[in-house]
Amino acid sequence: AQKVTQAQTEISVVEKEDVTLDCVYETRDTTYYLFWYKQPPSGELVFLIRRNSFDEQNEISGRYSWNFQKSTSSFNFTITASQVVDSAVYFCALSVGTTGTASKLTFGTGTRLQVTL
Amino acid sequence: NAGVMQNPRHLVRRRGQEARLRCSPMKGHSHVYWYRQLPEEGLKFMVYLQKENIIDESGMPKERFSAEFPKEGPSILRIQQVVRGDSAAYFCASSPVQGLLSNQPQHFGDGTRLSIL
Repeated sequence: AQKVTQAQTEISVVEKEDVTLDCVYETRDTTYYLFWYKQPPSGELVFLIRRNSFDEQNEISGRYSWNFQKSTSSFNFTITASQVVDSAVYFCALSVGTTGTASKLTFGTGTRLQVTL
Repeated sequence: NAGVMQNPRHLVRRRGQEARLRCSPMKGHSHVYWYRQLPEEGLKFMVYLQKENIIDESGMPKERFSAEFPKEGPSILRIQQVVRGDSAAYFCASSPVQGLLSNQPQHFGDGTRLSIL
């Protein structure tokens, strides 16, 4: 069985601060995919990133960066110079994939990020 | 609009009534997933369907809930004899193919907020 843990329920920062959202996953599969989604107050789910288990390279996209470490089963997400528009609930998710199987997502419980002026 | 379309956006039902939630996948996508998000919680997988076929319904409640994805038309999530505990946001996601490639990001609709009076 798969499990995703986001231990931080809620984080509050002041604009321009950096913030890291933690994600720890559990799976026995060697092939798996990790995702981050953003859910703003309007409620929709916005895809941010997908990473497969064979690619441990960190990734940077503008103010967003992701640190994937298989040794600690973590896939942490950092927002640099946070802005009020970053206020949302962020979900980490995991899917395991081998040919022919369903790739349902297992979500963490989410981290609510509040960025204030 | 090429995205995943869900309707209605909001649905209000009285206890005992039936709720029907519709999902049209992205163009070219033949795989549909339904997730439920209870208030203040993460998303939980319910069911995975292809056209005319249920692939994985391991997350579906045993009673009152059913899903279909007919050859023509949208996927339907049906809840019979709704109860207060069914109040949640129901999200649909779609992806193009099964297997390894199916771990492409699942594209989510904006969800249907179901409220039971």
